[in-house]
Amino acid sequence: DAGVIQSPRHEVTEMGQEVTLRCKPISGHDYLFWYRQTMMRGLELLIYFNNNVPIDDSGMPEDRFSAKMPNASFSTLKIQPSEPRDSAVYFCASSARGPAFFGQGTRLTVV
Amino acid sequence: DQQVKQNSPSLSVQEGRISILNCDYTNSMFDYFLWYKKYPAEGPTFLISISSIKDKNEDGRFTVFLNKSAKHLSLHIVPSQPGDSAVYFCAASVYNQGGKLIFGQGTELSVKP
Repeated sequence: DAGVIQSPRHEVTEMGQEVTLRCKPISGHDYLFWYRQTMMRGLELLIYFNNNVPIDDSGMPEDRFSAKMPNASFSTLKIQPSEPRDSAVYFCASSARGPAFFGQGTRLTVV
Repeated sequence: DQQVKQNSPSLSVQEGRISILNCDYTNSMFDYFLWYKKYPAEGPTFLISISSIKDKNEDGRFTVFLNKSAKHLSLHIVPSQPGDSAVYFCAASVYNQGGKLIFGQGTELSVKP
């Protein structure tokens, strides 16, 4: 298996634009997580899904953030409109209980 | 409200010696603990885990110890190698929540030749 695949690896966008981050989890994993890493807050959980259903989105910072999982092999995290303070590395991870396995991350820069 | 804390931002160790990384937690509901290793520009990589029914788990050079009464866990790396230089994250979860991990802030380990 190729592991968790995220795209793009890097994204630079202007403030106010819509940003969509993509994730393909490991096949057979029924949990999917979106994390964000910043210097100030470290690695924080934004939202997680079980069997494509959002279970806990209490970490989503505000309504500008939304996440979907239309099927077991694909998830998106959307920011609309983006702001400079959204600049961070966004990680997707998946698990089948037990340890979560992470993708390489998307480095988002909002200018 | 930081439920998982790594109080040492950095640690420097000589090659061949033991590295000990520490982690404290506050939520007594946590029953599954993990350590991840992270290199720059990569995602965290799972290293080792321990369930709360155990107090020790070993995998090669890596051993994790859990002290539930003190709400403390540690990762021992013996012997340390330069390739171990990375940021180490402690994480905790409630197992039946399917791996919803709460991370510490990380400790940057530097192993010097």
